[in-house]
Amino acid sequence: DAKTTQPNSMESNEEEPVHLPCNHSTISGTDYIHWYRQLPSQGPEYVIHGLTSNVNNRMASLAIAEDRKSSTLILHRATLRDAAVYYCILYPSVTFGGGTRVLVKP
Amino acid sequence: DSGVTQTPKHLITATGQRVTLRCSPRSGDLSVYWYQQSLDQGLQFLIQYYNGEERAKGNILERFSAQQFPDLHSELNLSSLELGDSALYFCASSVTGGDNEQFFGPGTRLTVL
Repeated sequence: DAKTTQPNSMESNEEEPVHLPCNHSTISGTDYIHWYRQLPSQGPEYVIHGLTSNVNNRMASLAIAEDRKSSTLILHRATLRDAAVYYCILYPSVTFGGGTRVLVKP
Repeated sequence: DSGVTQTPKHLITATGQRVTLRCSPRSGDLSVYWYQQSLDQGLQFLIQYYNGEERAKGNILERFSAQQFPDLHSELNLSSLELGDSALYFCASSVTGGDNEQFFGPGTRLTVL
């Protein structure tokens, strides 16, 4: 089964940038790359999404490789509130893996 | 508040029983997705409906079924429940599909005893 591949966990210090990679080598031409995060005891929440070009919003930046087989979510300055599981999900195929648990150290 | 509502919040039932989980999407959203999240597993995609029609299927068991009604709310029916069906069930909605962000509901926690 096709799925995205992410590291199980990553640690960061507060106020430092976090780069979360995602491999999606089987991505189709119509798939958008979405990122969601799930805080403890909550439903996932939208972070950012894109198709081919890099994207920025108030929460994060999304860098998409030229061949679209990988992408990186960038949290510019991690805060303790950014500690969550981050999922890279392809839509409309709904392809995803286990997510990355981000730990932020004060 | 994402604008997606799910009822009930919690459900406790016994093995072999049947339950129905309800999801009301955000106003204007045509697409509804159902996900299961077990304690020891990550998110699993179950099924997607778009404007009343099934659009994509994930790892949904034959004991589970779903539908989307003309008013766009959706129901997930789980039957012949087993202990392993205990999980959080999330519903998400979006305007159409891939090119729109998903809005997730707060989830229904199902406990099968």
